[in-house]
Amino acid sequence: DAGVTQSPTHLIKTRGQHVTLRCSPISGHKSVSWYQQVLGQGPQFIFQYYEKEERGRGNFPDRFSARQFPNYSSELNVNALLLGDSALYLCASSSETVNTGELFFGEGSRLTVL
Amino acid sequence: GDSVTQMEGPVTLSEEAFLTINCTYTATGYPSLFWYVQYPGEGLQLLLKATKADDKGSNKGFEATYRKETTSFHLEKGSVQVSDSAVYFCALSDSSGATNKLIFGTGTLLAVQP
Repeated sequence: DAGVTQSPTHLIKTRGQHVTLRCSPISGHKSVSWYQQVLGQGPQFIFQYYEKEERGRGNFPDRFSARQFPNYSSELNVNALLLGDSALYLCASSSETVNTGELFFGEGSRLTVL
Repeated sequence: GDSVTQMEGPVTLSEEAFLTINCTYTATGYPSLFWYVQYPGEGLQLLLKATKADDKGSNKGFEATYRKETTSFHLEKGSVQVSDSAVYFCALSDSSGATNKLIFGTGTLLAVQP
């Protein structure tokens, strides 16, 4: 079975641009979460979606938004990119809405903002 | 708020050496505790978990015990292998319990030399 897949794997943008990152969860998983991992730090929670509804939001500005589609895939959108948005963006899926077990992570989308 | 502190790396060991990576946490409730591992070029993977005090999580020769009295969840392995070289993250579940949000430490790079 396919794991969590993310696209694109790498991308380069300039300040002020917009980016859309995509994630497909493991088949049967209804929850998708997004994390930002800055180089040398641990992942930071951005959003969780479950059954197409936002269930949690981390301490990120309104420039960050996300949505989940009927097939449970998800998009993360970041507007007005800043240099500090350069990071690895991780998507994770699970079958539960609360943390009873493990999250399954994709390999991430590495965003570089110039 | 909840937080995780883990020892800084890199940790460099010879093959068959004993490994300890320290992790302490701060939480208002009773979180579950996790160790995730990130091998080079791969996504985060759950290594082990413990859901309540005095539980011991174990997997692939690694162990960690949930110590409520010392708010710790140290990772140990009796004999490391070159293939254990990776970044290890200690994490806890958000104690508000409403989401599957994880709070990660900064990660510890382990390098095992033959």
